[in-house]
Amino acid sequence: GNSVTQMEGPVTLSEEAFLTINCTYTATGYPSLFWYVQYPGEGLQLLLKATKADDKGSNKGFEATYRKETTSFHLEKGSVQVSDSAVYFCALSDPNSGTYKYIFGTGTRLKVLA
Amino acid sequence: GAVVSQHPSWVICKSGTSVKIECRSLDFQATTMFWYRQFPKQSLMLMATSNEGSKATYEQGVEKDKFLINHASLTLSTLTVTSAHPEDSSFYICSARTDPSYNEQFFGPGTRLTVL
Repeated sequence: GNSVTQMEGPVTLSEEAFLTINCTYTATGYPSLFWYVQYPGEGLQLLLKATKADDKGSNKGFEATYRKETTSFHLEKGSVQVSDSAVYFCALSDPNSGTYKYIFGTGTRLKVLA
Repeated sequence: GAVVSQHPSWVICKSGTSVKIECRSLDFQATTMFWYRQFPKQSLMLMATSNEGSKATYEQGVEKDKFLINHASLTLSTLTVTSAHPEDSSFYICSARTDPSYNEQFFGPGTRLTVL
């Protein structure tokens, strides 16, 4: 079945450090891939998405490239800020599954220190 | 655009009572809505998928008689936790999708339920 694997957290970085959060997936068909961010006590906000192989999603300095050959969608940011501290979820939606349900990774907590 | 609201944002109730949570799509019609449950520091667990005008489809292990879902209109879905107990305390998040060809979900801000 479909699945998403994220790197374990928490990840603690200093401000302006480079961020990578790994995400790999297993899916039948051609899934769409998403990164969501959740701030404390809040719901999920879409950070970026990619719908086909080699697509690069980007937003607010974050980027992720849909790599079909390695079944990966790693999240990167060149210079993190304290305000980026949150939990990040990788997710996939397989349009060929007939249900469009999301499969979420376990989430990676990021803490950025000033 | 694509805003989803939830009400209430938090609720405290006594054990044995029922609680209703509303999920509304404010600026679009949601053919499908999803209900998730999230335990502290954990990922989201899909509870059920509801399509407007039809019965919800529950995930394996979710008690349909305990978690009643109604999707009576294209902008409103409700989750009722019946005879709530402390173990039902959790963060409940809904999401909504427009038409089936668009597979992105838009999430509500969540409702924190505490059962005493």
